Amino acid sequence: SQQGEEDPQALSIQEGENATMNCSYKTSINNLQWYRQNSGRGLVHLILIRSNEREKHSGRLRVTLDTSKKSSSLLITASRAADTASYFCATVTGANSKLTFGKGITLSVRP
Amino acid sequence: GAVVSQHPSWVICKSGTSVKIECRSLDFQATTMFWYRQFPKQSLMLMATSNEGSKATYEQGVEKDKFLINHASLTLSTLTVTSAHPEDSSFYICSASIGTGLEKLFFGSGTQLSVL
Repeated sequence: SQQGEEDPQALSIQEGENATMNCSYKTSINNLQWYRQNSGRGLVHLILIRSNEREKHSGRLRVTLDTSKKSSSLLITASRAADTASYFCATVTGANSKLTFGKGITLSVRP
Repeated sequence: GAVVSQHPSWVICKSGTSVKIECRSLDFQATTMFWYRQFPKQSLMLMATSNEGSKATYEQGVEKDKFLINHASLTLSTLTVTSAHPEDSSFYICSASIGTGLEKLFFGSGTQLSVL
């Protein structure tokens, strides 16, 4: 069953703008991860945030986690055309050893 | 970073034939590999967890006799779609984690299967 639900489903922005993508989940988690997928390709791990963390940074990426609201957000600052891709949040729960993916967000960055 | 190689990238086959997809961890040993299926513009659905030297664990609704998984070594897992039908057409992706944790998965580039 789906654990993560991203919002919005699609996002189109101008190069240089910031992109914010949200993910909500249903059950308690051990950690939440964000992945990126270019069309027709595999996924690339971007960043992980643990359940006891609230914010993490990696380059132009900033991820936040609000366990009380069961939600996370991924911010890409100063977007580039090359950031155009699908972005997925994925969660690991204590009940199982699986990584469960959300439906994904399609990000289009216009040059 | 660690590299997972998946082959072939795409395959077209006739209905009723079997297709084998290989997933190799090139620079690390993968005790556990995961096989996912993805429909266009959809999420990744976990099909099975492949453990080296033991039987794969299949997710509910996935036919183990239809999707045969073999993980004979620490660097190779294979998925065989047996007696393929058009409804098996999909994008199949493998992934592997280093160690037993799930803090970072490394994905293959995927295989687009088209069954005519």
